[in-house]
Amino acid sequence: GDSVTQMEGPVTLSEEAFLTINCTYTATGYPSLFWYVQYPGEGLQLLLKATKADDKGSNKGFEATYRKETTSFHLEKGSVQVSDSAVYFCALSANNFNKFYFGSGTKLNVKP
Amino acid sequence: DVKVTQSSRYLVKRTGEKVFLECVQDMDHENMFWYRQDPGLGLRLIYFSYDVKMKEKGDIPEGYSVSREKKERFSLILESASTNQTSMYLCASSSPGGNTGELFFGEGSRLTVL
Repeated sequence: GDSVTQMEGPVTLSEEAFLTINCTYTATGYPSLFWYVQYPGEGLQLLLKATKADDKGSNKGFEATYRKETTSFHLEKGSVQVSDSAVYFCALSANNFNKFYFGSGTKLNVKP
Repeated sequence: DVKVTQSSRYLVKRTGEKVFLECVQDMDHENMFWYRQDPGLGLRLIYFSYDVKMKEKGDIPEGYSVSREKKERFSLILESASTNQTSMYLCASSSPGGNTGELFFGEGSRLTVL
């Protein structure tokens, strides 16, 4: 069945460091891929998405490219800020957005 | 602003009690979901609904039921709460098809069963 695997956390970085959070997926067909972010005490919100192979999603300095050949959707940011501290979830959606599958989440701590 | 509202942010219940978690969305979305969030396990789908009075089991439906009598409201019911149902519960909604696919989440309901 469809599934998402993302790197274990927590990830601790200093401000302005480069961030990569790895995400790989298993899916039949052609899923859409998403990164959601959960700030402390809040629900999840969409960070970025890509709906087909080679698409790049981007938002707030974060980027991820849909790589069909490696079944990956790694999240990157060139220079993290303390305000980026949150839990990041990789997700996929198949079947016309009626079902979503989430990774286990990666907690990011950014120190000043 | 689009909104998904969960009725209770924090609940404390006793083993065996019946628990209702309510969720309302104001976006006229067809799809609504209930997820459970546990550390290290991410989000696991309990039930989802794609229309009024329609529901489908997710990955972990045991011990839960749902009700969707109106399009904007989706309720999660724990018929007899147990300690292993202590968790964060997240409601979400989406519109099927189209080109967005975005899930909109509520802020979550943290349930403790004693």
